[in-house]
Amino acid sequence: SQQGEEDPQALSIQEGENATMNCSYKTSINNLQWYRQNSGRGLVHLILIRSNEREKHSGRLRVTLDTSKKSSSLLITASRAADTASYFCATLTDSWGKLQFGAGTQVVVTP
Amino acid sequence: DTGVSQDPRHKITKRGQNVTFRCDPISEHNRLYWYRQTLGQGPEFLTYFQNEAQLEKSRLLSDRFSAERPKGSFSTLEIQRTEQGDSAMYLCASSPRTEETQYFGPGTRLLVL
Repeated sequence: SQQGEEDPQALSIQEGENATMNCSYKTSINNLQWYRQNSGRGLVHLILIRSNEREKHSGRLRVTLDTSKKSSSLLITASRAADTASYFCATLTDSWGKLQFGAGTQVVVTP
Repeated sequence: DTGVSQDPRHKITKRGQNVTFRCDPISEHNRLYWYRQTLGQGPEFLTYFQNEAQLEKSRLLSDRFSAERPKGSFSTLEIQRTEQGDSAMYLCASSPRTEETQYFGPGTRLLVL
């Protein structure tokens, strides 16, 4: 079973718009990580946010974490066609480093 | 730092055959992970190495699956007597410490006919 669930499952926007996707999880976490995956390729790490952090920024990306609601959000500002990809949240819940992924949000950015 | 590499990138095999995949982690990363990803789903954890020791295995890893990491460097994942249900993308990741970022390789896409 998967720990995280992303919402929405799919998102279609135009270049320049912002894209927001959410991740909910079930158990307490050590950290939460967001990854991007272009079609048929490996995962690219975007941001890691620890359980004692509430917000992090990286370039056009902003991640928030609300441990009381067991949820996180990823905001991509001023989206580009190159942002077209699937986005996954992954939670770290144990001492071994096993990441538990959601099913992802498929984002399509049209020029 | 050349990133995590995996070989082969694609593998087509017939049901019942054995296949072996290789993963070369980022040098000096002593944590190495294998995940499996099927179409439309997120990756699922298979197994984890700290140096050469295999410390955890998912119940997804049936007896037909075996993984090794000799000398704590590269790792191999072998699937014996492949089944059509084994068709998936097999991803390898490495990290320097447990609570740090995992860096993923490009994956090996397996198709079992």
